[in-house]
Order: sequence, then C-alpha cells, then structure tokens
Amino acid sequence: DARVTQTPRHKVTEMGQEVTMRCQPILGHNTVFWYRQTMMQGLELLAYFRNRAPLDDSGMPKDRFSAEMPDATLATLKIQPSEPRDSAVYFCASGLAQGDGYTFGSGTRLTVV
Amino acid sequence: AQSVSQHNHHVILSEAASLELGCNYSYGGTVNLFWYVQYPGQHLQLLLKYFSGDPLVKGIKGFEAEFIKSKFSFNLRKPSVQWSDTAEYFCAVTIQTGANNLFFGTGTRLTVIP
Repeated sequence: DARVTQTPRHKVTEMGQEVTMRCQPILGHNTVFWYRQTMMQGLELLAYFRNRAPLDDSGMPKDRFSAEMPDATLATLKIQPSEPRDSAVYFCASGLAQGDGYTFGSGTRLTVV
Repeated sequence: AQSVSQHNHHVILSEAASLELGCNYSYGGTVNLFWYVQYPGQHLQLLLKYFSGDPLVKGIKGFEAEFIKSKFSFNLRKPSVQWSDTAEYFCAVTIQTGANNLFFGTGTRLTVIP
C-alpha cells in the first residue's frame, strides 16, 4: 500500500530550538496538507499545497511557522523558535486535487519542554 | 464559512449495540463527504467516502453512512459494534468546486465496553 511517510515520529526539544518535520507524500499526489492535533483544539489545518504551491496557510502562526515543498516528494514544516504550546501531533496528508480522499501519515509527536 | 458539526463528543456503548454518529455540514454547494477513524495512538484512516450516486455508502469494517442532502447530514452507522471499534471518529467535507480543502469536525470518541 502507498503511504505518506513522516519523520521523525517523535521529537522532544527545548523551548527556543528549531524543529523541522518532514513529509513524503504518496507519489503522484499533488495536494499536501499539514494538520496539528491537540486535545484542546482537535484537528487544525495549518497549511496546504497544490502542485507544490501554497494555497492556504492562514491557520499557521506566521511569526514562527513556515511550510515549504522544495520538490514534489518532500514537504517540510518548520517551527523556529519552538514553544511549549507547540506540543502536539503534526499530521501530513496527501491526495489528488479532485478530493478523492486523503491519506494521512503516522504523524510527528512533538514535545517542547 | 464552511463548517462540520459532530454533536456527540463521547459515546459509550456495549458490544453488539448499534451505533449512529451524527455529522452535519454547512455549505450549500456540492460536497464530498468522508468519515475517518483514528485508533488510539494512530493516524487517521479513511473509513468511507461519498462523492455522488447512491447516498448509502458502505465502508470498511462494517460501517456505512447515509447522505441526506436535505438535512446536510452524513451520519455514520454500524449495526453491531465491537470492542475493537473503540476509537475517535471524524467527519470531513471537501467542496467539489474550489480548493478542495478538507474540513474536519471536532470528532466523536467511541468507547465500546466488552
């Protein structure tokens, strides 16, 4: 089965450090989402890309978060500097533009201490 | 603005009981509808989806959902739940025209008691 691969699976870091999360979408998928999941807020959309171009990143705190797709096989989400409130599970999902369902990765569990 | 509502936050059932989880969306146009399941500690997995055609959709693991356009609803059902169905269930919507952003509901936690 094709999978969305996210690395790292777990990350513990100190406040103020830079964190980079990576996502390898399924080959051929042209739409990539980044979501953040917390107990309090549920699933929040941070950013999404179509054909590597950012379509919507309004859910992302711009002062510290950035999302990019340097190529079709890699999406990155960076937090600099990280804060304890960023602790969450970050999911990447990919799919086709027609909205034919999206496949989620296993997530990156981030803990900022 | 588009939104997805799941009114049941936590549902507790005994094994073999029937399940129905509510999902309502607010958007007047044509939508695609999804149910995802998230088992404890795992990622979201697609249970079923509706794009067009028969409004009664069958998914994996014995789940089904019915799209009722007049009620803007897409409720999830299962005739007899198992302990292994304990999970969080998310309803989601994309709009067929436009950016196909995936809007999620807040999720319903299902606990099945053996």
